[in-house]
Amino acid sequence: AQKVTQAQTEISVVEKEDVTLDCVYETRDTTYYLFWYKQPPSGELVFLIRRNSFDEQNEISGRYSWNFQKSTSSFNFTITASQVVDSAVYFCALSEAGTGRRALTFGSGTRLQVQP
Amino acid sequence: DTGVSQDPRHKITKRGQNVTFRCDPISEHNRLYWYRQTLGQGPEFLTYFQNEAQLEKSRLLSDRFSAERPKGSFSTLEIQRTEQGDSAMYLCASSLIGDNQPQHFGDGTRLSIL
Repeated sequence: AQKVTQAQTEISVVEKEDVTLDCVYETRDTTYYLFWYKQPPSGELVFLIRRNSFDEQNEISGRYSWNFQKSTSSFNFTITASQVVDSAVYFCALSEAGTGRRALTFGSGTRLQVQP
Repeated sequence: DTGVSQDPRHKITKRGQNVTFRCDPISEHNRLYWYRQTLGQGPEFLTYFQNEAQLEKSRLLSDRFSAERPKGSFSTLEIQRTEQGDSAMYLCASSLIGDNQPQHFGDGTRLSIL
């Protein structure tokens, strides 16, 4: 069965620090997709990035970067030079394509607090 | 392009009452999903539709829960004989067809059972 683990429940940093959010997943499927979502205090889940299991290239988008390593079943998210607006709960999620299921399996989230 | 819209934003009801929530997906999205999120947890999948067909249901979806998408556009989620444990945020999402298509979420409906 699929599972997503975000071991860090809460992280607090000071503005401009770099921070990495960890995500470890379990799946028996060979074709799967990994996602990161941001949930600010307003509550709406905002899609950040998608990665498929065949593409291990790391990705950078502005201050955000993602490190996907199949060997360790990890898909970590780094925010460089954090800002107060980055304060939110971040969720990692998994979708298994091979099983035909369309559901996203979410981790329990990491709450990031960026202090000014 | 408007996002996913959910109504109402908040619902307070007494135990045993029936409640119904509505979700309007992004207009060109064929797939529509319902999730439930409790405090401090990630969303948990309930069910999803492709057009008007309900293709998958979670074991979380007890017989008190029913979802419909009659014309393949908006969807409703009804909970009958509500229980304390039904208190949660109910999230709706929509996506295009395709394994790699991201799901886009609405603001959710927060249900509180008195």
